[in-house]
Amino acid sequence: EIVLTQSPGTLSLSPGERATLSCRASQSVSSSYLAWYQQKPGQAPRLLIYGASSRATGIPDRFSGSASGTDFTLTISRLEPEDFAMYYCQQYGPSPLYTFGQGTKLEIK
Amino acid sequence: QVQLQESGPGLVKPSGTLSLTCAVSGGSISSTNWWSWVRQPPGTGLEWIGEIYHSGSTNYNPSLKSRVTISVDKSKNQFSLKLNSVTAADTAVYYCATNVPYYMDVWGKGTTVTVSS
Repeated sequence: EIVLTQSPGTLSLSPGERATLSCRASQSVSSSYLAWYQQKPGQAPRLLIYGASSRATGIPDRFSGSASGTDFTLTISRLEPEDFAMYYCQQYGPSPLYTFGQGTKLEIK
Repeated sequence: QVQLQESGPGLVKPSGTLSLTCAVSGGSISSTNWWSWVRQPPGTGLEWIGEIYHSGSTNYNPSLKSRVTISVDKSKNQFSLKLNSVTAADTAVYYCATNVPYYMDVWGKGTTVTVSS
């Protein structure tokens, strides 16, 4: 099983600042198979990024994703108040087909 | 745009069977997508349960495989989840979602299921 480890567990920033969230895979993961989701309290996850760097429909361009080996990064260039939420990475691969990271909580400083 | 809606009992007794249905609207369940169930225990992260294709082909998370059945009803444009021998550890918000593949681009709002006597 491929384990995804997200860091930091909690990130405290102010609106307007840049956020960098990390997701490290325990084994090689194709960039095509890595996605990022945003989840707000009481809501379902929302797809942000797929294929490591492609934005989903309707996602603002302040959200970007990148990959380097087994390390994946979600960057929010300038935080808006509505961006404070939980963020999960997810991979598609060997059994189980889909696994998620444990999440990063992005909170207002 | 496809929309998904979960339904089912909110309370299940220990050792019983959890049964949920996901209604698909705005599109056909016979499309090229796979259809998944994902759960989220209180205060924790996301766990993929399994998926089904309209042909009836399924894939399950090995950690739950012995207790899970996912089925599809094309006539009703819906798919279902059954999880048997439930315990308190199965208490969670259960989501249905569509895979396109490799990631899940549409999610239902989720339904809370509590396992308690």
